[in-house]
Amino acid sequence: DTGVSQDPRHKITKRGQNVTFRCDPISEHNRLYWYRQTLGQGPEFLTYFQNEAQLEKSRLLSDRFSAERPKGSFSTLEIQRTEQGDSAMYLCASSLFPRERNEQFFGPGTRLTVL
Amino acid sequence: DAKTTQPNSMESNEEEPVHLPCNHSTISGTDYIHWYRQLPSQGPEYVIHGLTSNVNNRMASLAIAEDRKSSTLILHRATLRDAAVYYCILGKQGGSEKLVFGKGTKLTVNP
Repeated sequence: DTGVSQDPRHKITKRGQNVTFRCDPISEHNRLYWYRQTLGQGPEFLTYFQNEAQLEKSRLLSDRFSAERPKGSFSTLEIQRTEQGDSAMYLCASSLFPRERNEQFFGPGTRLTVL
Repeated sequence: DAKTTQPNSMESNEEEPVHLPCNHSTISGTDYIHWYRQLPSQGPEYVIHGLTSNVNNRMASLAIAEDRKSSTLILHRATLRDAAVYYCILGKQGGSEKLVFGKGTKLTVNP
């Protein structure tokens, strides 16, 4: 399968714990995005990378969130001191820039439940 | 970010055409209109995009109003697999910038 993959698919944690998610983009894609989606809402942008450089970070993103893409391939999203409000689906997407068609390819997501 | 407005939900019968509307009255001259859809328990997937002219691909057609303040995604023959949330998003061509999703339109397809 050459699509975007995310690991784990589900994560249950207790409030105050740290969690880390991984995203593997489509291999030739240089841009990688993280989004968060809560029930009944559309995905909300968190941050994105071009190669290893983090180009934009949402102002809504708490400093408890950090993302890396150290070698310009896979990316990790860490949430420190999780809160119940962090419970959501975390989606990763990748794309090839520049390209005529502005298409992002999404992974299946990691569902986080904070107890 | 320019805003789009879509109905919360729509229903269709299988094998009938579906017209999903989107209003974007504050669209700028350089904004493209993108449509994504999200099937249950999956990440969103690209459907189609356009600037001024109507567009067709294997999944759907996109009809864009002459003043570009609205557009319509057309599914020519709905199938049960088309049941999804459809998002209309404004963005720049080739920029692969962040996507700003609204709540979208939940499409139910009846057998």
